[in-house]
Amino acid sequence: QQQVKQSPQSLIVQKGGIPIINCAYENTAFDYFPWYQQFPGKGPALLIAIRPDVSEKKEGRFTISFNKSAKQFSLHIMDSQPGDSATYFCAASITSGTYKYIFGTGTRLKVLA
Amino acid sequence: NAGVTQTPKFRVLKTGQSMTLLCAQDMNHEYMYWYRQDPGMGLRLIHYSVGEGTTAKGEVPDGYNVSRLKKQNFLLGLESAAPSQTSVYFCASSYPELNTEAFFGQGTRLTVV
Repeated sequence: QQQVKQSPQSLIVQKGGIPIINCAYENTAFDYFPWYQQFPGKGPALLIAIRPDVSEKKEGRFTISFNKSAKQFSLHIMDSQPGDSATYFCAASITSGTYKYIFGTGTRLKVLA
Repeated sequence: NAGVTQTPKFRVLKTGQSMTLLCAQDMNHEYMYWYRQDPGMGLRLIHYSVGEGTTAKGEVPDGYNVSRLKKQNFLLGLESAAPSQTSVYFCASSYPELNTEAFFGQGTRLTVV
């Protein structure tokens, strides 16, 4: 029940394309859903996050779509650029209590020039 | 402002050897975490701490011990290293009362031969 399932494992798109990464969870107690971006040799860094009281959040070219009834959320990258090539992790947390972050298995994105 | 600093960055151990990984944060964060990152497995929580003097087990705690004697430091120990502990280890910290973002260090690449 603590798992966060992420797909696909890897993704290749052309510059300007819109890669979509999907995540699903089981535990309805999760109330915070961040996405982290990781470049090779670096630690993950927060990209964008959403709470279950909204269905969509946009920050620049990055959008999270959230479907509470389906227990799914996804990351969309608009007008993708080669600089977006990185590994993306979804995560889920319960913000009352221990604040443990449970991460998905990651998606390696490559944007071709 | 260094953020989260991990020491060392790289280490090679022989099976059965012991070592300690050090994580230091200068953001006055209450919560600290140790994750391991393996290909196809994402980030898995080893141990975490919600404050000075407290520690708790995460998803994969076996073979590891931790200590949080000072608020700014979180130590991860391997008493008898095994090849299965070959991984990249990440420390993170957060301050839930302020915001929900977890800040990660640069990682420690550990190889056990």
